[in-house]
Amino acid sequence: AQRVTQPEKLLSVFKGAPVELKCNYSYSGSPELFWYVQYSRQRLQLLLRHISRESIKGFTADLNKGETSFHLKKPFAQEEDSAMYYCALKPAGGTSYGKLTFGQGTILTVHP
Amino acid sequence: ETGVTQSPTHLIKTRGQQVTLRCSSQSGHNTVSWYQQALGQGPQFIFQYYREEENGRGNFPPRFSGLQFPNYSSELNVNALELDDSALYLCASSPGLIYGYTFGSGTRLTVV
Repeated sequence: AQRVTQPEKLLSVFKGAPVELKCNYSYSGSPELFWYVQYSRQRLQLLLRHISRESIKGFTADLNKGETSFHLKKPFAQEEDSAMYYCALKPAGGTSYGKLTFGQGTILTVHP
Repeated sequence: ETGVTQSPTHLIKTRGQQVTLRCSSQSGHNTVSWYQQALGQGPQFIFQYYREEENGRGNFPPRFSGLQFPNYSSELNVNALELDDSALYLCASSPGLIYGYTFGSGTRLTVV
C-alpha cells in the first residue's frame, strides 16, 4: 500500500519569502511523484512531476528516495501562489498502476 | 482549457437512491479515473478504466461502479446512496497509463 503525508494543513508566508511545502511518502516500489495545485474556484491542475525535473512558476521539487520525501520549494513566494497544494504518488506498475494517491493537501497563503 | 467536462456540476439525492455522474474526456484519452473528495480531504481513488475495462480499484464497495465508452466518455454509478457519499466527485483522464492526468471540475453530490 502507498501513503502520502503532508504534515502542514496550513502554511503562511509573506511575499518574497522562501516557501517549502513538505511531502513524505511510503511505498515499497518505485514511485512517480507529482504536485497538483488548486487555485480558488479552479480545477485541480498538475504543477510538476518529478520525472520531468522542470521548474514551473518558479517551483521545484526533488525526489529524495533516502528520506522518501518530495518537498515543493520556491525561493520567493508571490501572492498569486496562494492556493491548495496536493502531493500525489503513482505506482509504476502492478495492479494499482496509474492510481494516484493524494496527501491531504496544504493551503498556502502568501501575504502582501 | 483542459478538455475534461463533468456533469452535472451539483446534485442532491436522497439516501437509498441511485446516481449516475458523467465525464467527457479529450479525444485520445483512453484512461479515465474517478476520485471522491470529501470536504477537507485529498481526493481518494475510486477506480480506473483503460480502454473500456476496469484496471484498478480503490477501497470502495461494489455499489460504486463505472463504465467507459468508445467515445472517451465515462460514467460513475453509485447505488443505495448513503449520507457519507456526499462529496466532490472528480474525473481525471490521460492519454495512457504512463502519463499525467487532466482533471475535470467535479460534481458536488449531496445526499440528504
